[in-house]
Amino acid sequence: DTAVSQTPKYLVTQMGNDKSIKCEQNLGHDTMYWYKQDSKKFLKIMFSYNNKELIINETVPNRFSPKSPDKAHLNLHINSLELGDSAVYFCASSQVQYSYEQYFGPGTRLTVT
Amino acid sequence: GNSVTQMEGPVTLSEEAFLTINCTYTATGYPSLFWYVQYPGEGLQLLLKATKADDKGSNKGFEATYRKETTSFHLEKGSVQVSDSAVYFCALASGSARQLTFGSGTQLTVLP
Repeated sequence: DTAVSQTPKYLVTQMGNDKSIKCEQNLGHDTMYWYKQDSKKFLKIMFSYNNKELIINETVPNRFSPKSPDKAHLNLHINSLELGDSAVYFCASSQVQYSYEQYFGPGTRLTVT
Repeated sequence: GNSVTQMEGPVTLSEEAFLTINCTYTATGYPSLFWYVQYPGEGLQLLLKATKADDKGSNKGFEATYRKETTSFHLEKGSVQVSDSAVYFCALASGSARQLTFGSGTQLTVLP
């Protein structure tokens, strides 16, 4: 069983569209994250949720909105997509009570044309 | 604030060569330190970790020692293989925010 899964793996869309990326973890972790990785492989934290509560909200455009329906899911919705949103988006999870170690999903490659 | 500085790549080595990827950090308190590896087209995987000074993390022939006096956590492997070709990220975590701070990543290519 995949520990942290994301769908879709690839997403190609046009500027101005709205899209969502879904993430699910079956590790029983209490915290989930979204990262953005640019073309130079630089990783930037975007959001973090602990037990469905937002705890990290870095400076990202408010076109990006995370939603956590339960502890096992953290979805990322993006409105009015722009060319600069093209990147690989990674979901991760951890059990922060015991460890800082994070487990990553396989990534979603978003291409905005 | 916390920061991680990692050796810039890309690094290209021949198979069986010795590998060192330098990593230094700045942090408040007593951070935990990590090396993550990202194989082509995949997500990041934890390679090894160390949670206190002088701890040595090791996995798959890779090692790194937490050096508080030099604020470093250099990654080493005695004999690299083609299958080690990947991007390697140094990271630290500290404090109540439970947030990982990543270095910029080092691309390693091992040639047969």
